[in-house]
Amino acid sequence: DIQMTQSPSTLSASVGDRVTITCRASQSISNWLAWYQQKPGKAPKLLIYKASSLEGGVPSRFSGSGSGTEFTLSISSLQPDDFATYYCQQYYFYPSWTFGQGTKVEIK
Amino acid sequence: EVQLVQSGAEVRKTGESLKISCKASGYSFTSYWIAWVRQMPGKGLEWMGIIYPGDSDTRYSPSFQGQVTISADKSTRTAYLQWTSLKASDIAMYYCATSTGDRVYWGLGTQVTVPS
Repeated sequence: DIQMTQSPSTLSASVGDRVTITCRASQSISNWLAWYQQKPGKAPKLLIYKASSLEGGVPSRFSGSGSGTEFTLSISSLQPDDFATYYCQQYYFYPSWTFGQGTKVEIK
Repeated sequence: EVQLVQSGAEVRKTGESLKISCKASGYSFTSYWIAWVRQMPGKGLEWMGIIYPGDSDTRYSPSFQGQVTISADKSTRTAYLQWTSLKASDIAMYYCATSTGDRVYWGLGTQVTVPS
């Protein structure tokens, strides 16, 4: 089975900081990777699909990169609304999906 | 526009059965896999299983095989997740999700509560 390893598990940062979250796949998933933001009590919100495509309506401070086994989600200038938990997901090895463990972005 | 509308929150007793639903619209229901994802309180996202409504081909995560049943009704464009005997450990939010190409679309979730 494919494993998705996300790091760090927790990240403390200040408003205005640049933040980077990493997701590693145990096998190549080409660019079939999605990034989500989740706030308490809410469904995951799609931010990035196909590793680097920004979902409509998502602020341009969010960006994704990578292919194969290593991927990153970057937030160029952290805003108060960005404090949340972020997940990566592979959807290459259909029909099985796999999620990363999540990264909680906290206020420093 | 792809939409997945999930059934409302449920409260059941231990040992009871339950079937929750996910009604799809805005795409060809029979042409794309639809998945179920569990999120236990304070925990991450877990892929439970997936169904291809076109032919009802269903796959389960080993962690959920035998614990739940996933099904789909083509006539109503609805996917289902069911339990025959709920446990206290089934307390969670359950999401359905699908990918029709590049993007992944999610329902808003169904909260299942099993008072101990």
